[in-house]
Amino acid sequence: IAGITQAPTSQILAAGRRMTLRCTQDMRHNAMYWYRQDLGLGLRLIHYSNTAGTTGKGEVPDGYSVSRANTDDFPLTLASAVPSQTSVYFCASSDGGQGSEAFFGQGTRLTVV
Amino acid sequence: GQNIDQPTEMTATEGAIVQINCTYQTSGFNGLFWYQQHAGEAPTFLSYNVLDGLEEKGRFSSFLSRSKGYSYLLLKELQMKDSASYLCAVLDSNYQLIWGAGTKLIIKP
Repeated sequence: IAGITQAPTSQILAAGRRMTLRCTQDMRHNAMYWYRQDLGLGLRLIHYSNTAGTTGKGEVPDGYSVSRANTDDFPLTLASAVPSQTSVYFCASSDGGQGSEAFFGQGTRLTVV
Repeated sequence: GQNIDQPTEMTATEGAIVQINCTYQTSGFNGLFWYQQHAGEAPTFLSYNVLDGLEEKGRFSSFLSRSKGYSYLLLKELQMKDSASYLCAVLDSNYQLIWGAGTKLIIKP
C-alpha cells in the first residue's frame, strides 16, 4: 500500500524554468493539498482540491497552478521558477476536508538557482 | 492576524516526561491537531481535540482549553525515537488549517 507518493524527491532547477511536481494517492480520498514548508515557518497551503474537477487557492498560491483531472492525481506546476520558491513541498490528502486527518507524501525538496 | 505559538526547541531525557505547549489566536476555532515530523520525513497525525479536556493515546496525551486558546502535547516515558518536530495546527472558522512552526524535541540518553 503506497498511500501518497510524490515525485521527484528532490530537484535543482534553474530560475525561469517550468517544473511539475507529481502527487498520486491510492486511498480514494476526496481532498488533496499542496503545502510548502520553510525553516522557521509553519506549513503554508498553496492550493487545494476538495474533489476531482475542483481546485482552490490557499494562503500562498502565486506562481503555482494545480489541476485535478481525477481522484488520484494532483500535480503542482511552477510556471517560471524563482529562487523564493526554494522549499520542501508536501502533498497531502484527507477523506473529509481540512478538519480530518491528513496523510502526507514524503516531500519534494526543490532548489531554484 | 492569526497566530500559532510553540517553543522552537526543547530538550528532554530518555524515560522522562515532556510537555509541549501551543497557544493560538485564530478567527474562530473548529479543532486542533498535533502532528509528528521526523527530520526529512512527512508529518504524521498524532491527535485531534475539539472539546476541552485531555485525550490520552498510549504514551501521548493532548490537552485543550478553548477559553485560554491553549493546548499541550504530553509525552511520557520518552524514547530516543520520539526525537522529532511536533506541529500544532488549528482549524479556524473557515475550516482552514493554520500551522505553527513546530517544536523540535531533542531526546538525550
